[in-house]
Amino acid sequence: AQSVTQLDSHVSVSEGTPVLLRCNYSSSYSPSLFWYVQHPNKGLQLLLKYTSAATLVKGINGFEAEFKKSETSFHLTKPSAHMSDAAEYFCVVAANSGGGADGLTFGKGTHLIIQP
Amino acid sequence: NAGVMQNPRHLVRRRGQEARLRCSPMKGHSHVYWYRQLPEEGLKFMVYLQKENIIDESGMPKERFSAEFPKEGPSILRIQQVVRGDSAAYFCASSPEALGKRNADTQYFGPGTRLTVL
Repeated sequence: AQSVTQLDSHVSVSEGTPVLLRCNYSSSYSPSLFWYVQHPNKGLQLLLKYTSAATLVKGINGFEAEFKKSETSFHLTKPSAHMSDAAEYFCVVAANSGGGADGLTFGKGTHLIIQP
Repeated sequence: NAGVMQNPRHLVRRRGQEARLRCSPMKGHSHVYWYRQLPEEGLKFMVYLQKENIIDESGMPKERFSAEFPKEGPSILRIQQVVRGDSAAYFCASSPEALGKRNADTQYFGPGTRLTVL
């Protein structure tokens, strides 16, 4: 079984300040982890993914995330927020069990608000 | 190359009516996935289809919901006798290869259909 917990339903930061969106996961198997962004009335866009290679993963639009196995975390960060970053962000875990029906598990999402 | 298309974008139905949601995958993609997003929730997997076959429907409610992906035309998610609890955003994703539902990076998502049941 696997699960994802996004610790904050809403995060508000000022433009130009750092962004931190927190995600903790649990998985019976070595997981793959992803962050997706969803802008209003749009589909989901993949920001980045971790698949057991480098623990620090760089994605699009200046985002990155660090896989910390000891903390079972995969927090998303960006050094300087931009107004266009305002959106809903989803942390996703996929179990690499080679079988079974767990598939993709989505977190409930974090709504990122950028203050001017 | 057009992305995944879903229509309608918004659908309003009264209780007891039928809802039909359509998904056209990206060109060259033969695998389709449907997800449901309830208010304040993450996406939940419903069904995975290939052309003319349902591969995994472990996330589909047992009654009233069905899905198909015919040889020609879009994939259809059909909800019969809708109830208020069916109000949600329904997302479709497609992928080019048979990597299953586990590989998010190979799944390209559509903009969703927002179903409102009155």
